Amino acid sequence: NAGVTQTPKFQVLKTGQSMTLQCAQDMNHEYMSWYRQDPGMGLRLIHYSVGAGITDQGEVPNGYNVSRSTTEDFPLRLLSAAPSQTSVYFCASTSPVSNEAFFGQGTRLTVV
Amino acid sequence: KNQVEQSPQSLIILEGKNCTLQCNYTVSPFSNLRWYKQDTGRGPVSLTIMTFSENTKSNGRYTATLDADTKQSSLHITASQLSDSASYICVVSGSGNTPLVFGKGTRLSVIA
Repeated sequence: NAGVTQTPKFQVLKTGQSMTLQCAQDMNHEYMSWYRQDPGMGLRLIHYSVGAGITDQGEVPNGYNVSRSTTEDFPLRLLSAAPSQTSVYFCASTSPVSNEAFFGQGTRLTVV
Repeated sequence: KNQVEQSPQSLIILEGKNCTLQCNYTVSPFSNLRWYKQDTGRGPVSLTIMTFSENTKSNGRYTATLDADTKQSSLHITASQLSDSASYICVVSGSGNTPLVFGKGTRLSVIA
């Protein structure tokens, strides 16, 4: 049972480059979300989705795009990377029954 | 505004000692409260869940309490071990598909 799988685990980008962080879950959860975690800031919500075809902005959405074409996948796109986007990114899938969030292992992104 | 405040921000204790972490929240309406443990370099993992009607719940050496009237929760760790060194995050769920509200976490270091 894989749970939530994030790729890549590590990434270095140059300012202005674009990339997609992948997230897949095999628990058939409708609710998925992306967070960034910075020292002293805790987990901050970037975007979330309550089901295929439905996405919404979180607390810090600027500079990021998401789409949800299937229940399983919820990719996060950085349009034009900036040093301020250097962070650890976590994808989560939330059970509708227990409200427990299952997190991926994280992607450590550095923008130089 | 829905908020979760945790204290202390960080804590250092000797192996074998007990400790208590605090969580105050202003999330309304309230569905449940979870404590997550996040090891360095990993995603958070749920330890306990507290619903409105529950006062105390134990999971091994971890005991969580909830006072829904004062909107406070605590996580007590008994006979700490080196492997308890981690960040502990308090997360509150509201109603329906509203996003989870995360505290910034308490960084616990257990030393020999």
